[in-house]
Amino acid sequence: GENVEQHPSTLSVQEGDSAVIKCTYSDSASNYFPWYKQELGKGPQLIIDIRSNVGEKKDQRIAVTLNKTAKHFSLHITETQPEDSAVYFCAASRERANYGGSQGNLIFGKGTKLSVKP
Amino acid sequence: DTAVSQTPKYLVTQMGNDKSIKCEQNLGHDTMYWYKQDSKKFLKIMFSYNNKELIINETVPNRFSPKSPDKAHLNLHINSLELGDSAVYFCASSPGPTLLGSPLHFGNGTRLTVT
Repeated sequence: GENVEQHPSTLSVQEGDSAVIKCTYSDSASNYFPWYKQELGKGPQLIIDIRSNVGEKKDQRIAVTLNKTAKHFSLHITETQPEDSAVYFCAASRERANYGGSQGNLIFGKGTKLSVKP
Repeated sequence: DTAVSQTPKYLVTQMGNDKSIKCEQNLGHDTMYWYKQDSKKFLKIMFSYNNKELIINETVPNRFSPKSPDKAHLNLHINSLELGDSAVYFCASSPGPTLLGSPLHFGNGTRLTVT
């Protein structure tokens, strides 16, 4: 089955700096890669996602890159702010339209605790 | 308006007891899930229901039994609770399985502590 490795487990940056979180996956058939942000006491919330037919996607200060050959994908946060402090999860799945939903076999990385110091 | 709501938020109970966690979503989604997050924050899927039908049942002890009375509700009943069941349990929902790439909407979790 799919295995997702995420690094680093903790990351501390100064406000205004960039933060990069990296993930690798094992199943070459995986083709959907979302990123979730979990704030303290809350459930994870999708912040950005990418599919395998795209190499990069941006949304304001957040970007995700995907290298299918190397089976790794990364989250980039620029101009970090204290409110970016949270646990970030990468995930991977193989989209199977008729079973379990696109999310049903979503495999999560172990999370990265990001701390942004003011 | 809370999209995915689960109750209770905290649940403290003794070993051997039976407890239930309730989940409701008002997003009109067809698919609902239960995830378990352990003390190291690792998220693992337990069950998935689509239109009240069980479609994913990961390797979970049969002490855990999900029930979906309708597509807006997915409850989790746990029998004979054990210390290792202590975790945060998240309910989530998404549009139907053919809507690829749609985000999971998570509830805010139920922190279960077994003493």
